[in-house]
Amino acid sequence: DGGITQSPKYLFRKEGQNVTLSCEQNLNHDAMYWYRQDPGQGLRLIYYSQIVNDFQKGDIAEGYSVSREKKESFPLTVTSAQKNPTAFYLCASSIRSYVSGNTIYFGEGSWLTVV
Amino acid sequence: KQEVTQIPAALSVPEGENLVLNCSFTDSAIYNLQWFRQDPGKGLTSLLLIQSSQREQTSGRLNASLDKSSGRSTLYIAASQPGDSATYLCAWTNAGGTSYGKLTFGQGTILTVHP
Repeated sequence: DGGITQSPKYLFRKEGQNVTLSCEQNLNHDAMYWYRQDPGQGLRLIYYSQIVNDFQKGDIAEGYSVSREKKESFPLTVTSAQKNPTAFYLCASSIRSYVSGNTIYFGEGSWLTVV
Repeated sequence: KQEVTQIPAALSVPEGENLVLNCSFTDSAIYNLQWFRQDPGKGLTSLLLIQSSQREQTSGRLNASLDKSSGRSTLYIAASQPGDSATYLCAWTNAGGTSYGKLTFGQGTILTVHP
């Protein structure tokens, strides 16, 4: 089945640790995105990538890092510099950066909790 | 900066009612306006996408309209069912400038349809 796979579903981070969330898509989409969702809030864009080996900061990039070495993969690292990382993280993808009426597809999300 | 506001924040209705969810935005330079559904702890599912040249889109019991001049979009749900219970989010994107390819989300409307 075609889609976006995020792993792990649940992740716990200790203070001072870096953790990496995985996102893989087999939709052959060029563009991929990472969003953060806090309880009762809408989604906020962390990073996005329109093509392999290129990515751009979103609205809340501080404390996060990404890579885009392969078209199908866009991992997100939550670094120790992110002071309030507890949230629901959503990965998404689209054809050519969501223009010309192309829709965007989301994964099932990953819950990150600081312990 | 584009702001997206959804009203009401929460709505509880009996089964069978027709209902309207509202989404307002401050920047009329809109390219796509999209409505999503999110079930608790899950990713987002696209419902309807309206391009800037369009006025409305329909899918089954759902109808979404876009009025750029007033900065508003509405999602109309006919004959609501308990299975419609979810959070509904609207999102906007502008094809130009620094907003290229990025979605800006409202905070969502939590809908509960009771039998």
